Amino acid sequence: DAGVIQSPRHEVTEMGQEVTLRCKPISGHNSLFWYRQTMMRGLELLIYFNNNVPIDDSGMPEDRFSAKMPNASFSTLKIQPSEPRDSAVYFCASSLAGIAYQPQHFGDGTRLSIL
Amino acid sequence: DAKTTQPPSMDCAEGRAANLPCNHSTISGNEYVYWYRQIHSQGPQYIIHGLKNNETNEMASLIITEDRKSSTLILPHATLRDTAVYYCIVSRGTASKLTFGTGTRLQVTL
Repeated sequence: DAGVIQSPRHEVTEMGQEVTLRCKPISGHNSLFWYRQTMMRGLELLIYFNNNVPIDDSGMPEDRFSAKMPNASFSTLKIQPSEPRDSAVYFCASSLAGIAYQPQHFGDGTRLSIL
Repeated sequence: DAKTTQPPSMDCAEGRAANLPCNHSTISGNEYVYWYRQIHSQGPQYIIHGLKNNETNEMASLIITEDRKSSTLILPHATLRDTAVYYCIVSRGTASKLTFGTGTRLQVTL
């Protein structure tokens, strides 16, 4: 079975440009999470969705960041305008939310470099 | 969510058991203990979780002390492929929100 699919795997762009990261969760999963990982701050939760609805976006660093989930099989994380400090690995994860704990399954990440 | 404390690094010989400790002295009664690991440049991978009873699955065992203030993840026969950063996380219920700390970097050697 396909796992969480993220694209692109690598992105290099100049500051000021718009960046869009994409995620396809595991089919049937109803929760989706966006994380960012840097050496300085480690792995941080940015935002998560349940049934396509954003539940907690308190980790989104500032208004330059936005995330959408238009349907159950697709989500985007957009940075506009991008800055060098946004350079990081961005992970998407999905899970099946319910009464019993279901683990989060992570994608391979998008390595973003802002020059 | 309760804060966790883990040693920054540990070594283990291949074939031996790796015992990774975690302190969570402020854990609440409704908080679970979760373990994930991250192999270099991959996304984190779920290992195991528990509330107050010891748990075992095909990957590892989780031993939680009776007062629930600490726990130990046991990899019974470590291999080189177990070299990774191991995260101990404490969170409520179905843990929609996981807060990753700095983890323990386990190095398995020949």
